[in-house]
Amino acid sequence: DTGVSQNPRHKITKRGQNVTFRCDPISEHNRLYWYRQTLGQGPEFLTYFQNEAQLEKSRLLSDRFSAERPKGSFSTLEIQRTEQGDSAMYLCASSPGVANTEAFFGQGTRLTVV
Amino acid sequence: GESVGLHLPTLSVQEGDNSIINCAYSNSASDYFIWYKQESGKGPQFIIDIRSNMDKRQGQRVTVLLNKTVKHLSLQIAATQPGDSAVYFCAENTGGRAGNQFYFGTGTSLTVIP
Repeated sequence: DTGVSQNPRHKITKRGQNVTFRCDPISEHNRLYWYRQTLGQGPEFLTYFQNEAQLEKSRLLSDRFSAERPKGSFSTLEIQRTEQGDSAMYLCASSPGVANTEAFFGQGTRLTVV
Repeated sequence: GESVGLHLPTLSVQEGDNSIINCAYSNSASDYFIWYKQESGKGPQFIIDIRSNMDKRQGQRVTVLLNKTVKHLSLQIAATQPGDSAVYFCAENTGGRAGNQFYFGTGTSLTVIP
């Protein structure tokens, strides 16, 4: 088990373009989270999956953002019509389906919108 | 949303000294807490956790103290080493809810002086 894997590690895109990030959680972890982190701040919750079901979405997740986890394994986060304010580190985490257990984070995808 | 804040944004300690990082939380319903360590360019890394039915938990060189009366959490690092230099976040969770999301504070940057 190599932990939570995120691809790509870095992405530079022009404003207005669409981008998609992928997260492969730790196998057999049925909970998957997406967070966004800007410089000097803690991670902010975006959305959460239990298996393939998206159970919770933050108000931070505008309609330009969409996340999927079609088979309950890997997940994708798409941002449409990117804006400069979307520049951030996007972190994925996974945890077992048991309450009060830690979430394991990936290395993140650094998005820069120019 | 919940507010998780840290008292000190930066902390510098001499190698070999003990470090104490503090955190205040506001949601009295939070019942699970984690300290994460984040090095530059990497995702948060689990250090230690504590459940609300405990007031102290010890790990290897680290101790977490929880004071539910004043909603305060602290992380003590014994014999601090240069490799401990990083940003430390506390995160709270109301694990019984379906969302099970973690709320993070701003973070404290720890610098260990050799």
